[in-house]
Amino acid sequence: GAGVSQSPSNKVTEKGKDVELRCDPISGHTALYWYRQRLGQGLEFLIYFQGNSAPDKSGLPSDRFSAERTGESVSTLTIQRTQQEDSAVYLCASSLVGLAGKNNEQFFGPGTRLTVL
Amino acid sequence: ELKVEQNPLFLSMQEGKNYTIYCNYSTTSDRLYWYRQDPGKSLESLFVLLSNGAVKQEGRLMASLDTKARLSTLHITAAVHDLSATYFCAVDIGLAGGTSYGKLTFGQGTILTVHP
Repeated sequence: GAGVSQSPSNKVTEKGKDVELRCDPISGHTALYWYRQRLGQGLEFLIYFQGNSAPDKSGLPSDRFSAERTGESVSTLTIQRTQQEDSAVYLCASSLVGLAGKNNEQFFGPGTRLTVL
Repeated sequence: ELKVEQNPLFLSMQEGKNYTIYCNYSTTSDRLYWYRQDPGKSLESLFVLLSNGAVKQEGRLMASLDTKARLSTLHITAAVHDLSATYFCAVDIGLAGGTSYGKLTFGQGTILTVHP
């Protein structure tokens, strides 16, 4: 596709349920990133994929959070046993880093707004 | 640990005025990015700065990078209402071989409001 896409765009869930968020990066982009943005705040890095492996997952806030990427394409972010503090917009981005070398300009998807009741 | 700080965090401007947003970072880097975010929307890439002294201009916005000072500026000329948004800078510390480390560290964002 032309840009990064994410689904669903909105997700409302009950505390304790598991949720799965999906990201489709720009075709050919080897790097993929997940960020969290709480209301009125900046971006918190969660995890970075280069191909299908995750060299940096230092931002995942707890073991309830996990992510995977397959086929050097689609990625899913899974949050188990959701808590109210997980409510945020989850943004995915992709870039050509690794192919272009120095330029790590990231292109962002529209985000998934997660609300945990 | 890389720290990226923007100031001001809130900026209220009158149309037609000029102002500058500053982005300071704590670790050597020669690669810095500026993004714009409209309310309820995702981030849009504005500028890519990849060397000391780099200057890029697009319309009423001009971005520059001083790697010695570890400082980037985003200058707004003759502001108009359409520029109202949140602006983020982001830094990539890079690897010794010149390629990207693969992770951007974002500043807190500057909320810009332009009013008549």
